[in-house]
Amino acid sequence: AQSVTQLDSQVPVFEEAPVELRCNYSSSVSVYLFWYVQYPNQGLQLLLKYLSGSTLVESINGFEAEFNKSQTSFHLRKPSVHISDTAEYFCAVSDQGDDKIIFGKGTRLHILP
Amino acid sequence: NAGVTQTPKFQVLKTGQSMTLQCAQDMNHNSMYWYRQDPGMGLRLIYYSASEGTTDKGEVPNGYNVSRLNKREFSLRLESAAPSQTSVYFCASSVKLNSPLHFGNGTRLTVT
Repeated sequence: AQSVTQLDSQVPVFEEAPVELRCNYSSSVSVYLFWYVQYPNQGLQLLLKYLSGSTLVESINGFEAEFNKSQTSFHLRKPSVHISDTAEYFCAVSDQGDDKIIFGKGTRLHILP
Repeated sequence: NAGVTQTPKFQVLKTGQSMTLQCAQDMNHNSMYWYRQDPGMGLRLIYYSASEGTTDKGEVPNGYNVSRLNKREFSLRLESAAPSQTSVYFCASSVKLNSPLHFGNGTRLTVT
């Protein structure tokens, strides 16, 4: 069965500094990969997705993630974070041909002033 | 657009009571899902419905039942609530297989 590992439960980072949130998944032939964001007291929203094609995907608010098949990773990065990025970030994966999307345990991003 | 609507937003139950969480989507999506979110556990899939007329177990189905009433609605029932079912429950929908999920705002359930 597919599984997702987010190694860091919390990541503190200073405002305007770069950040990387790590995500690894169990190996599979073909996968779809997602990052979701949950702002305080809200539901989850899709941040970005990898379905096929270019291994580097970007969101509208400056985040990007790179699909690395050999390392089974899909790390999320942002070159300069803002206070408004304070949220919990979830990596999710689905095997192609499977309807289930499995989530990691989440990484809470704390932006320090 | 309302998107995915969950009711109620909050609920307190006593052990052994039953209740149904309601979910409706107005995006004409084929697939619908129920997840629970617990601190440090992320989101875990309870049940899902790939299309109208079908339901399947997810990672943590014990203690729950679901009904895909029609294409729009997917309900989650707790027949005999237990304190271990205290959680935030999220309903989600998607256009088709593997497509991105659209989430409701959640139902915060406390079982005492």
